[in-house]
Amino acid sequence: DTGVSQNPRHKITKRGQNVTFRCDPISEHNRLYWYRQTLGQGPEFLTYFQNEAQLEKSRLLSDRFSAERPKGSFSTLEIQRTEQGDSAMYLCASSQRTGKNYGYTFGSGTRLTVV
Amino acid sequence: DQQVKQNSPSLSVQEGRISILNCDYTNSMFDYFLWYKKYPAEGPTFLISISSIKDKNEDGRFTVFLNKSAKHLSLHIVPSQPGDSAVYFCAASLSTGNQFYFGTGTSLTVIP
Repeated sequence: DTGVSQNPRHKITKRGQNVTFRCDPISEHNRLYWYRQTLGQGPEFLTYFQNEAQLEKSRLLSDRFSAERPKGSFSTLEIQRTEQGDSAMYLCASSQRTGKNYGYTFGSGTRLTVV
Repeated sequence: DQQVKQNSPSLSVQEGRISILNCDYTNSMFDYFLWYKKYPAEGPTFLISISSIKDKNEDGRFTVFLNKSAKHLSLHIVPSQPGDSAVYFCAASLSTGNQFYFGTGTSLTVIP
């Protein structure tokens, strides 16, 4: 168990470019989440997968954002035509919800800077 | 609209004393609450949780108290240690939902 792995750790891109981030969850976790955190704020929910099915999407996830989890293992988050307002830390988390005493395991995040 | 609020952006405490971090929420339908701890350049780490059917949960030096009538929860750390210096987030969830709603965080500094 190596925890939740996110790549890359940092990404600087020019406005209008597309970017893709990858998340590898803990192997036995069937639930995967994407959150976004901007400076001075707590993490904000973006989307949730149970196995390969995307079951919930936030209104924050505009049509420029798309997430996939094709085989129920790793996930990708793509942002098309990036804007400066997309600059944030993108956090991935996974869980295997058993009972009520659960919490996510977060990765270290991908910090996106749009210039 | 911020459903989970942490009104103290920062807190400083002497080593060995008690740290009390506070959190308020507005949605009475929240039924599960957690505290996360975050060091710089790392993702948040799950610390302790409490269900709405309880008013207290304890794990070593960490105790979470829930006051449903006041829609308030607090995290007590006793005794505080320098390694506890981090940003602490409270979070809440609905029984029917899959997401957590996070507060804006409180930065705790424990002074040796």
